[in-house]
Amino acid sequence: EVQLKESGPGLVQPSQTLSLTCTVSGFSLTDYSVHWVRQPPGKGLEWMGVMWSGGSTAYNSALKSRLSISRDTSKSQVFLKMNSLQTEDTAIYYCTREGYSASYWGQGVMVTVSS
Amino acid sequence: DIQMTQSPSFLSATVGDRVTINCKASQNINKYLNWYQQKLGEAPKRLIYNTNSLQTGIPSRFSGSGSGTDYTLTISSLQPEDVATYFCLQHNSGYTFGAGTKLELK
Repeated sequence: EVQLKESGPGLVQPSQTLSLTCTVSGFSLTDYSVHWVRQPPGKGLEWMGVMWSGGSTAYNSALKSRLSISRDTSKSQVFLKMNSLQTEDTAIYYCTREGYSASYWGQGVMVTVSS
Repeated sequence: DIQMTQSPSFLSATVGDRVTINCKASQNINKYLNWYQQKLGEAPKRLIYNTNSLQTGIPSRFSGSGSGTDYTLTISSLQPEDVATYFCLQHNSGYTFGAGTKLELK
């Protein structure tokens, strides 16, 4: 069964760095890409970036200067790091596997940026 | 970057109605357009892939169409369980979501 699960701190202080982990099961990170998507409370979805199966990455141009995505294939984990957090980065952060045959999403992790 | 304009933002309809939601891209996206449904408190669920491919398990009352810059999600006969927010996503060049359409029952 394919599963994705996000984990990380629920509260981050302004100007600090957010670190999130997406732990996957039921598939290999070398076979499928994993995306990060976020959603501020009561608002729409924003695509953040992707770790391609081959190990390269692509980022939303609006976030590129602050965002880094990496992975540890041996642990089946994809990592998101974003620096210089502000209150507008408060959101639910999702990781997702988007393939032709199916789409799988984690439950999301709520991150609040506040002092 | 490609921009996606989704309309309407809000839609109120009656059970049994035919409902349409539209997304317009700022440039040709070659039918690389997905539709998602998000119910309150849940993660999004993909309904349709590449304009008109219905995901397994999704009721046939959902369908998608379009080409070029203009795309449509249609619910042929609205059911109470379809109350949700719907998003489009283009994946032709990068990835861009539409702003969403909140669908409620009248």
